[in-house]
Amino acid sequence: GDSVTQMEGPVTLSEEAFLTINCTYTATGYPSLFWYVQYPGEGLQLLLKATKADDKGSNKGFEATYRKETTSFHLEKGSVQVSDSAVYFCALSGGLDNAGNMLTFGGGTRLMVKP
Amino acid sequence: GAGVSQSPSNKVTEKGKDVELRCDPISGHTALYWYRQSLGQGLEFLIYFQGNSAPDKSGLPSDRFSAERTGGSVSTLTIQRTQQEDSAVYLCASRRGPGRRMETQYFGPGTRLLVL
Repeated sequence: GDSVTQMEGPVTLSEEAFLTINCTYTATGYPSLFWYVQYPGEGLQLLLKATKADDKGSNKGFEATYRKETTSFHLEKGSVQVSDSAVYFCALSGGLDNAGNMLTFGGGTRLMVKP
Repeated sequence: GAGVSQSPSNKVTEKGKDVELRCDPISGHTALYWYRQSLGQGLEFLIYFQGNSAPDKSGLPSDRFSAERTGGSVSTLTIQRTQQEDSAVYLCASRRGPGRRMETQYFGPGTRLLVL
């Protein structure tokens, strides 16, 4: 079945540091890939997505590129802010084993940004 | 409403009691999902409704869990004879439709369930 693996946290960075959160996946077919973010006390929000190989999703300064050859979708941001402190989830849907397009999530990575 | 809403936001119950959790999806969204977020298991899929089709119940962890969706809109997740391991945040998400172009799922704020 489909699966998503992302780096364990917490990741602690100083403000303006460069961020990478690694995400790799296993799926048959051509799934869509997502990053969701959960701010403290809030629900899951879609951060960005990519629907096919070599697509780049971007939002709020975050970027991730769909790499089929390495089955990866790493999240990056050039300069993090304190307000980026949250839990980040990598997810996929739409693999061949997934007719209902339910999301398969990674375990989440907590990011803490210090001023 | 503008987004997915869930109620109650918090629920504390005693072991063995039944609980009902409610989800109001975004108006016009035909697909609805329930997920569970717990410390030990992360985020896991529970059940999926698409229009008038039979729901996909493949993620339900036991027969104590059931869900229904009335009129293609509001959904209720019922947990019977709750156990302590049912303690988690229950998340509802909706999606415009089944097609690839309508695949983004929008999540509600969740119901935090604590079973004592």
